Amino acid sequence: DAGVIQSPRHEVTEMGQEVTLRCKPISGHNSLFWYRQTMMRGLELLIYFNNNVPIDDSGMPEDRFSAKMPNASFSTLKIQPSEPRDSAVYFCASSPLSGSYNEQFFGPGTRLTVL
Amino acid sequence: RKEVEQDPGPFNVPEGATVAFNCTYSNSASQSFFWYRQDCRKEPKLLMSVYSSGNEDGRFTAQLNRASQYISLLIRDSKLSDSATYLCVVKPGTGRRALTFGSGTRLQVQP
Repeated sequence: DAGVIQSPRHEVTEMGQEVTLRCKPISGHNSLFWYRQTMMRGLELLIYFNNNVPIDDSGMPEDRFSAKMPNASFSTLKIQPSEPRDSAVYFCASSPLSGSYNEQFFGPGTRLTVL
Repeated sequence: RKEVEQDPGPFNVPEGATVAFNCTYSNSASQSFFWYRQDCRKEPKLLMSVYSSGNEDGRFTAQLNRASQYISLLIRDSKLSDSATYLCVVKPGTGRRALTFGSGTRLQVQP
């Protein structure tokens, strides 16, 4: 079975440019999570969706960040305009919705460098 | 104070050693606890859940102390392949499904 798919795997861009990260969750999973990982701050939750609906976006750093989930098999995280401090690894994860907790399966991540 | 705190390490141990990591959490209403493992430049993966009564999976033992709000992971007979970062993870007891991750403890097992 295919796991969580993220693209691109690596992105290098210049400050001020728009960046779009993409995620395809595991088929049948109803919850999708976007995380950011840096050496300084560790793994931080940015936003998560249940059944395509954003539930908690309190981790989104500022208005430059936006996330969408137009359907059950696709989500995007957009940064506009990007800044050097946005450089990090961005992970997408998915899990089934049933039950009080289910294991989160992470994608391979997108390594973003903003120059 | 961070919600989940871990000693960043690194812990450098020889093969065959026993090593233990601790983690503390600040939210006393937290409901569920886990250890995730993250290899270098890879994504985190669930290692094991942590139950109130403690649980064991092969060479790995996890313990929970709710009164002191800490979680531990014990690895016996360390293997080279155990070298990784171990993330302590807590699910807050607020109905949210999201998890809070510690910054991780790095383990390096040496031959």
